[in-house]
Amino acid sequence: EAGVAQSPRYKIIEKRQSVAFWCNPISGHATLYWYQQILGQGPKLLIQFQNNGVVDDSQLPKDRFSAERLKGVDSTLKIQPAKLEDSAVYLCASIRGANTGELFFGEGSRLTVL
Amino acid sequence: KQEVTQIPAALSVPEGENLVLNCSFTDSAIYNLQWFRQDPGKGLTSLLLIQSSQREQTSGRLNASLDKSSGRSTLYIAASQPGDSATYLCAVRLTGNITQGGSEKLVFGKGTKLTVNP
Repeated sequence: EAGVAQSPRYKIIEKRQSVAFWCNPISGHATLYWYQQILGQGPKLLIQFQNNGVVDDSQLPKDRFSAERLKGVDSTLKIQPAKLEDSAVYLCASIRGANTGELFFGEGSRLTVL
Repeated sequence: KQEVTQIPAALSVPEGENLVLNCSFTDSAIYNLQWFRQDPGKGLTSLLLIQSSQREQTSGRLNASLDKSSGRSTLYIAASQPGDSATYLCAVRLTGNITQGGSEKLVFGKGTKLTVNP
């Protein structure tokens, strides 16, 4: 079974530029999460999708961050414009059902904002 | 507000030693608890998942226990090896309003960075 796929693995941009990250969850996994992990911290939830609907985006900085999962499969997270404090690893994760199972993570996309 | 604490933040041990990593949480109303491993520059790899009704889970040299009433979980690693060097994170899943599609938020600790010296 293929794991959670993410791209790009690394991205360096200047502040005020935009960036987009892509995630393809494990096949059949209905629930998809985007997390932000700052160096030395645990991951922080940005947004949770159940199929193509948003379940929780309470911690998503909506003035600059957006995410979509139009067909209920892969998802895109966008940051526009980026700030220095957005430098972090953006992790995508998925679960087969609503909540009961194991959470599987992708390798992450490391963003550096200069 | 649920808070998850992992102590110590870093641990260095000689190869072959048995060790225990600690995770504590403030609200015992959890759905489950999951232990992860994270290698530098990598994503998180699931190690063990303990449901709230369970007391422990085992996988190979790893054993995780859960005591909901005291808000604690431990990850026991037997006969540690240099390849076990990584950051270990625990995360608790809050009960939330799951049946109505509410968020089943996962709250992470900051992790314990383990170094096993050959």
